[in-house]
Amino acid sequence: EAGVTQFPSHSVIEKGQTVTLRCDPISGHDNLYWYRRVMGKEIKFLLHFVKESKQDESGMPNNRFLAERTGGTYSTLKVQPAELEDSGVYFCASSQVVWDSPLHFGNGTRLTVT
Amino acid sequence: GQNIDQPTEMTATEGAIVQINCTYQTSGFNGLFWYQQHAGEAPTFLSYNVLDGLEEKGRFSSFLSRSKGYSYLLLKELQMKDSASYLCAVIDSNYQLIWGAGTKLIIKP
Repeated sequence: EAGVTQFPSHSVIEKGQTVTLRCDPISGHDNLYWYRRVMGKEIKFLLHFVKESKQDESGMPNNRFLAERTGGTYSTLKVQPAELEDSGVYFCASSQVVWDSPLHFGNGTRLTVT
Repeated sequence: GQNIDQPTEMTATEGAIVQINCTYQTSGFNGLFWYQQHAGEAPTFLSYNVLDGLEEKGRFSSFLSRSKGYSYLLLKELQMKDSASYLCAVIDSNYQLIWGAGTKLIIKP
C-alpha cells in the first residue's frame, strides 16, 4: 500500500512569494489533515478535511493560507504571500473515518522563507 | 487551556530500559497516541491507549492512567536505531488531536 506522499520535499522561497504544497493521502482515507511543526515546537494542527469538505480549519493562522481538496482525493495548501514566520515543516496525514484510527503521515515539506 | 507535557530530552544506554512520561490536561479524553519520529522523517504510529493499563507490543509498551492524566512509553533492550523523538498526542472531547512537543531520546553505546 502506498503511503501518504507530499511534494515538494523542500522549498526555499523569498518573503512575498507564493508556494503550493501538495499531499496525496492513502487511497480510501477520507480524513486528511495538515499540520505544521516549527523546530523544537509541538506539531500544530492547521486543518482537517473529510473527503472534500473542510471539517475544521480553526488552526489556519490567517487568510494567507488556503487549502483545497478537490474531488476528495489529493489536497493542496497554498501560502500567499509567504512570510518569514511561515517557515517550518508542513506535514500531511490521512486516516480512515473511524475516530481512533491512527494517522499516517507523509514525510513533510520543509518550507524555508528567506 | 489544553496542555501536554513531556520531557524535552532524555539519554539512555544501548541495551537498557527507558521510560518516557507524558502528562496531559485536556477538555475530555478519547484516547492517547504515541508516535516515533526520526530526524527529517514523518512521525510513525507506535501505540494507542484508551483504557487504563499497560499495552505491550514487542520491545515497546505504553501505559495509561486516565484518573492521573498520565501515560508513559517504555522502551526495552534499547537499540541505536531507537534514537528519535517520541510524541505523545491526546484525542480531546471534540475528537481533535492535541500534540506534545516531543521527547528527544539519545541512545549512547
